[in-house]
Amino acid sequence: IQLTQSPSFLSASVGDRVIITCRASQDINSYLAWFQQRPGKAPELLISAASTLQKGVPLRFSGSRSGTEFTLTISSLQPEDSATYYCQQSKSYPLTFGGGTKVET
Amino acid sequence: QVQLVESGGGVVQPGRSLRLSCAASGFIFTDYGMHWVRQAPGKGLEWVAIISYDGSQKHYADPVKGRFSISRDDSKNTVSLEMNSLRPDDTAVYYCAGSWSYYLDYWGQGTLVTVSS
Repeated sequence: IQLTQSPSFLSASVGDRVIITCRASQDINSYLAWFQQRPGKAPELLISAASTLQKGVPLRFSGSRSGTEFTLTISSLQPEDSATYYCQQSKSYPLTFGGGTKVET
Repeated sequence: QVQLVESGGGVVQPGRSLRLSCAASGFIFTDYGMHWVRQAPGKGLEWVAIISYDGSQKHYADPVKGRFSISRDDSKNTVSLEMNSLRPDDTAVYYCAGSWSYYLDYWGQGTLVTVSS
């Protein structure tokens, strides 16, 4: 299953609303996660099951699904949100990741 | 708190073997499927392998199938990745990760494997 993320790079200002899209090549139900990876660090799980925010993740992050299109929204971008974001499907093996979106503030 | 600590990375010649290990603590290891995910320098994330919570199922990414083998030792709370016939394009940071259900909840900090002559 291929995941196509867009855009691959995004530059925005503090306080902006940011939307990242991930499109699956086939139906994956809601078996989709979003990860944040800061430079030199391991990825961290932000959202599971397309829209379930993980404990401790700021409420400005949200996820949604429409068919095979998924979105990660940051409602008000903060400086600490500068990172690369990846979507990942868990519908079937092999698990696959999107190509990543680098967000710069 | 949850900790996953990878070890065993280093520089290895093409065609040789290497064994990575990951020591887990802070969660019930036998409740979790364990994965290896890699990231080539400057590139994105690539899932490598999973072993189920009870060790009964294993799955691999196509590029490593037949060359890599994942195993777990529940008595030591460790998961290992045996890598054979290594190629330069296996060069990456290798992360271990744990999943309680479908999602990779916990991640280690990674260990770098460099395949070069």
